[in-house]
Amino acid sequence: DAGITQSPRHKVTETGTPVTLRCHQTENHRYMYWYRQDPGHGLRLIHYSYGVKDTDKGEVSDGYSVSRSKTEDFLLTLESATSSQTSVYFCAIQPGTSDDTQYFGPGTRLTVL
Amino acid sequence: TQLLEQSPQFLSIQEGENLTVYCNSSSVFSSLQWYRQEPGEGPVLLVTVVTGGEVKKLKRLTFQFGDARKDSSLHITAAQPGDTGLYLCASRYGQNFVFGPGTRLSVLP
Repeated sequence: DAGITQSPRHKVTETGTPVTLRCHQTENHRYMYWYRQDPGHGLRLIHYSYGVKDTDKGEVSDGYSVSRSKTEDFLLTLESATSSQTSVYFCAIQPGTSDDTQYFGPGTRLTVL
Repeated sequence: TQLLEQSPQFLSIQEGENLTVYCNSSSVFSSLQWYRQEPGEGPVLLVTVVTGGEVKKLKRLTFQFGDARKDSSLHITAAQPGDTGLYLCASRYGQNFVFGPGTRLSVLP
């Protein structure tokens, strides 16, 4: 257990509404990641962070923004949700810089109607 | 186009059988991770392989990294229903982490 929680765990929203997902970690790791998981695609990286206010885009960043004002929290925002953003979202932390191992949160299932 | 390909996509076997799943790429990776994911949960790390030709064993699971560090395999001996899940391989590609699409394993009692 790497002390990662995600909230909410489930959310249903309507197209065009803003949505924010939260990832919280208790162990002060610098590196945090947001992924989405869809059938046939595996996990795809949306955004990542190397520290407070230090974020960068991943493979599928269009339509998403992130913020990291505290080490323990990494927020993912969908500014105007679309049906194509219906997915399961996972947050992950990477404990070490020389190790590519990641530990994942339990996920948030988001449905955009 | 997936950087990491996994095969088979689905596998259903009886308890006690052996199986092997594969992860392949056209790129060379510095390391490769295998994860198992159960329904409703996040992936859980099984192993990291780093050296070409490396073999790691975790109880009934044997992981191998290809000599050229472009492929890997996971062999399960005497599969049990508790092995059921989605098996994912992953590696770093530049600044990104990439995952294969996974092999969904079902072990029937």
